[in-house]
Amino acid sequence: AQSVTQLGSHVSVSEGALVLLRCNYSSSVPPYLFWYVQYPNQGLQLLLKYTSAATLVKGINGFEAEFKKSETSFHLTKPSAHMSDAAEYFCAVSGGSARQLTFGSGTQLTVLP
Amino acid sequence: DAGVIQSPRHEVTEMGQEVTLRCKPISGHDYLFWYRQTMMRGLELLIYFNNNVPIDDSGMPEDRFSAKMPNASFSTLKIQPSEPRDSAVYFCASRAPGAGELFFGEGSRLTVL
Repeated sequence: AQSVTQLGSHVSVSEGALVLLRCNYSSSVPPYLFWYVQYPNQGLQLLLKYTSAATLVKGINGFEAEFKKSETSFHLTKPSAHMSDAAEYFCAVSGGSARQLTFGSGTQLTVLP
Repeated sequence: DAGVIQSPRHEVTEMGQEVTLRCKPISGHDYLFWYRQTMMRGLELLIYFNNNVPIDDSGMPEDRFSAKMPNASFSTLKIQPSEPRDSAVYFCASRAPGAGELFFGEGSRLTVL
């Protein structure tokens, strides 16, 4: 079985500040890990993925995440927040026979001017 | 390249009515997933198909829910009879052979009065 915990349901940062969204996972098999972003009234869009290659993964819109097996973490970062980054972010882990995704509860990111 | 297409985008119905949600996955994808998103429960996996065959429907909340995939390009999720607690956004997602990430549709927002 697999699970995801996202620490902080709401995160606020100033424009230009560092964005850090936290994700810890549990998996009985080597995990694939993902970050998705959801804008209001839209579907989920893939930001980046880890599938057992490089532990530092770069994604779209300047986001990156680092897989740390010892900490069972996959935190999402961006050096400088932009107003357009305001959205809800979901961490997900895949597992099971079909490697279906289990999602965290989401983190709402607010970017302050 | 067309993404996952869902219809209707919005559905408002009265309790007791039948609701049918539709999904067209990305061509060539062999897995199709139905998720439900609510404020209280987040993103829940309802059912998934592999090569049009239902593999795991353990997430379907009740017998009132049913899903079919008659061919590789079409799936339906049906609720009969609908209840107010079924109000949610229902997402369809598909995945390419051997891939890890899911591609999501824009969702169908269901309101049951």
